[in-house]
Amino acid sequence: DMKVTQMPRYLIKRMGENVLLECGQDMSHETMYWYRQDPGLGLQLIYISYDVDSNSEGDIPKGYRVSRKKREHFSLILDSAKTNQTSVYFCASSPGQGNTGQLYFGEGSKLTVL
Amino acid sequence: GEKVEQHESTLSVREGDSAVINCTYTDTASSYFPWYKQEAGKGLHFVIDIRSNVDRKQSQRLIVLLDKKAKRFSLHITATQPEDSAIYFCAASRSGYNKLTFGKGTVLLVSP
Repeated sequence: DMKVTQMPRYLIKRMGENVLLECGQDMSHETMYWYRQDPGLGLQLIYISYDVDSNSEGDIPKGYRVSRKKREHFSLILDSAKTNQTSVYFCASSPGQGNTGQLYFGEGSKLTVL
Repeated sequence: GEKVEQHESTLSVREGDSAVINCTYTDTASSYFPWYKQEAGKGLHFVIDIRSNVDRKQSQRLIVLLDKKAKRFSLHITATQPEDSAIYFCAASRSGYNKLTFGKGTVLLVSP
């Protein structure tokens, strides 16, 4: 069906709480990504995963960690969320490893940290 | 690391006119340049890309030009329609390297 699904779509948390953002894809893509989008900053890469348990830091990994135990599923975890982590988070996937190609994006998860 | 600058933050055109969005990049080794479209409240959607072995690519009303000497690439949307209104992002990466660096986006408004 070529779909990337993110859950939850909207989330409000208090500072210091833990956050789990989940992403699934039905295309058996090897590579998955987490980006955040902030007004005026575009998209910034947080983490990239090349396959199960093969994760690599992106440009802004501090304050985040990821988990990929199944190829179709990639989670973003914020341990003790901070107000500056309020953002829209996008998950994406692409086929292959090391071959740049089209990214398929989810609809985004809007996180507000109070 | 790579930096991608998107020169127009907003662009307003009349329906039927052409729209041009320009981007520059810094990494000489970059060789893959995709464009993505984001409609309000949605995720990004791939529209067209170009690789460094060509300097022009067209897909229907979309044309991408690449000037490797100037480290500049551009998206031309011809015969614009109101449904072209969205945020457009350019990006760049090295060949065989999954990490895309995005520009900050251009808001395109097409008025009837």
